[in-house]
Amino acid sequence: DAGVIQSPRHEVTEMGQEVTLRCKPISGHNSLFWYRQTMMRGLELLIYFNNNVPIDDSGMPEDRFSAKMPNASFSTLKIQPSEPRDSAVYFCASSLEIIKGDTQYFGPGTRLTVL
Amino acid sequence: AQKVTQAQTEISVVEKEDVTLDCVYETRDTTYYLFWYKQPPSGELVFLIRRNSFDEQNEISGRYSWNFQKSTSSFNFTITASQVVDSAVYFCALRSNTGNQFYFGTGTSLTVIP
Repeated sequence: DAGVIQSPRHEVTEMGQEVTLRCKPISGHNSLFWYRQTMMRGLELLIYFNNNVPIDDSGMPEDRFSAKMPNASFSTLKIQPSEPRDSAVYFCASSLEIIKGDTQYFGPGTRLTVL
Repeated sequence: AQKVTQAQTEISVVEKEDVTLDCVYETRDTTYYLFWYKQPPSGELVFLIRRNSFDEQNEISGRYSWNFQKSTSSFNFTITASQVVDSAVYFCALRSNTGNQFYFGTGTSLTVIP
């Protein structure tokens, strides 16, 4: 079975450029989560969706960040304009969410470097 | 408030030694779920185990075992006869029954020396 798929795996861009990260959750999973991991702050939840609807985006750093989930099998996280401090590994995770406490399964992550 | 504390930042052991990774959690919920994830040097986060708050039975899976004690709010993870492939960062996480958010600890970096 395919796990959570993220693309690209690595992204290097220059400050000011737009960056789009993509995620395909596990088929049948109803909840999707975006995390950011840095050495300084560890794992931070940015936003999560349930049935394609954003439920909590309080972790989104600022207006430069936006996330969408147009359908059950696809989500994007966009940074515009990007800044060097956005450099991090961005993880997407999904869970069934039919019952509470479902396990989150993580994608391989996208390593973003903003020069 | 929900919180997970992994007090051990880094641990080094020699291959074949046993090692225990500590996890202490805080929650006011009566129903909650605890998890352990492994992050090897390749970077992905690998799910290891999920326990609910009503099941305090310890679990063993091969060389891995978990000790869940509600009385001390701990969910410790032991690796028996450690191997070099166990070198990774291990995260403990808490999820309440009332929300979707995971609360992750800061992780424990385990290095197994051959």
